[in-house]
Amino acid sequence: DVKVTQSSRYLVKRTGEKVFLECVQDMDHENMFWYRQDPGLGLRLIYFSYDVKMKEKGDIPEGYSVSREKKERFSLILESASTNQTSMYLCASSSPVTGGWSYNEQFFGPGTRLTVL
Amino acid sequence: QKEVEQNSGPLSVPEGAIASLNCTYSDRGSQSFFWYRQYSGKSPELIMSIYSNGDQEDGRFTAQLNKASQYVSLLIRDSQPSDSATYLCAVPGGTSYGKLTFGQGTILTVHP
Repeated sequence: DVKVTQSSRYLVKRTGEKVFLECVQDMDHENMFWYRQDPGLGLRLIYFSYDVKMKEKGDIPEGYSVSREKKERFSLILESASTNQTSMYLCASSSPVTGGWSYNEQFFGPGTRLTVL
Repeated sequence: QKEVEQNSGPLSVPEGAIASLNCTYSDRGSQSFFWYRQYSGKSPELIMSIYSNGDQEDGRFTAQLNKASQYVSLLIRDSQPSDSATYLCAVPGGTSYGKLTFGQGTILTVHP
């Protein structure tokens, strides 16, 4: 059974703290993604990685960084947490696209609900 | 214009009715389209994919694609209370890395 796990389901942090969210997948996927989900805004891509040590900014990268030192692990870092980063954070992974019609199903982790006070 | 837009919700239908969810996209080059379902407090899961014009059916679910009009829809026949969830439309982001762009989601409630 495919699995994407995230380090915490709930997290409460203080403004200014450095926050690490970890994601691990066991499907040997090359692609990994970090999203945040807020009511009415859907899923917004923060960063993604298509290989170890490779990363690209998504639509809302400001205030975040990422690290991918191993294929199975993708970390999201909030350098200095702020209250507007209170959100649900979802990690996902997928296998690489191999052709114009290929299938890019993304498998999601259970999410981390982060509250910044 | 947003890249992917879904019809505003929430949508409420009686049990047994057909629920219709719509999505428009801006990139004419998009080749594949996906519908994800997300139950409250859970993560999204893929329920339908469609790659060519016309209909794609899977049980009570039918995805419809019209590339000329740039819309994709999801029909749920004989709606059940267990179908109550948020439905997310997703379109590939145009790179080779499997990036998807999601719509904002439509909340569907099926009431008995």
